Amino acid sequence: GENVEQHPSTLSVQEGDSAVIKCTYSDSASNYFPWYKQELGKGPQLIIDIRSNVGEKKDQRIAVTLNKTAKHFSLHITETQPEDSAVYFCAAHRNTGKLIFGQGTTLQVKP
Amino acid sequence: NAGVTQTPKFQVLKTGQSMTLQCAQDMNHNSMYWYRQDPGMGLRLIYYSASEGTTDKGEVPNGYNVSRLNKREFSLRLESAAPSQTSVYFCASSEVATSEHTQYFGPGTRLTVL
Repeated sequence: GENVEQHPSTLSVQEGDSAVIKCTYSDSASNYFPWYKQELGKGPQLIIDIRSNVGEKKDQRIAVTLNKTAKHFSLHITETQPEDSAVYFCAAHRNTGKLIFGQGTTLQVKP
Repeated sequence: NAGVTQTPKFQVLKTGQSMTLQCAQDMNHNSMYWYRQDPGMGLRLIYYSASEGTTDKGEVPNGYNVSRLNKREFSLRLESAAPSQTSVYFCASSEVATSEHTQYFGPGTRLTVL
């Protein structure tokens, strides 16, 4: 079955720096890759997603890149702010109704 | 428009007790899901319902049962709780169960089994 590996498990950056989180997936049939942000005590919320026919997508300070050949995708956050501190999850989906999540990355942005 | 709601927020059970976690969505979504979240393991799918009247197993279905009561409600039942079921449980919904549609999550139920 599908497996998603996410790195690093924890990431600490200074405010204003960039943060990068990487994920790899095993099932080449996966065609949708969302990223979720989870704040303490809350459920995950979608922040950006990318489909397999697109290589890169941006939304203000957030961008996601996808390399289908290598089966990996990454989340890039620029100009980080303290409110970006949270747990981030990547996921992969192959149109079966099943999202497979990575293990999560705890991002800490130091003021 | 509340989105996805879950009850209860917290629950403590003794080993062997049973309970039902409730989930409801008001977005007229066809598909609903139950996940569990454990430290270092991300979210794992327990069961999902692609449409009213259907349910399917996810990655970790053992020890759980589900009921899609109607289009709005999807419940998760633990018949005989075990300490290994201590976790945070999230319900989610999406318009349909295909990759083009975002899954929206509820706030979670934190369950402790002693």
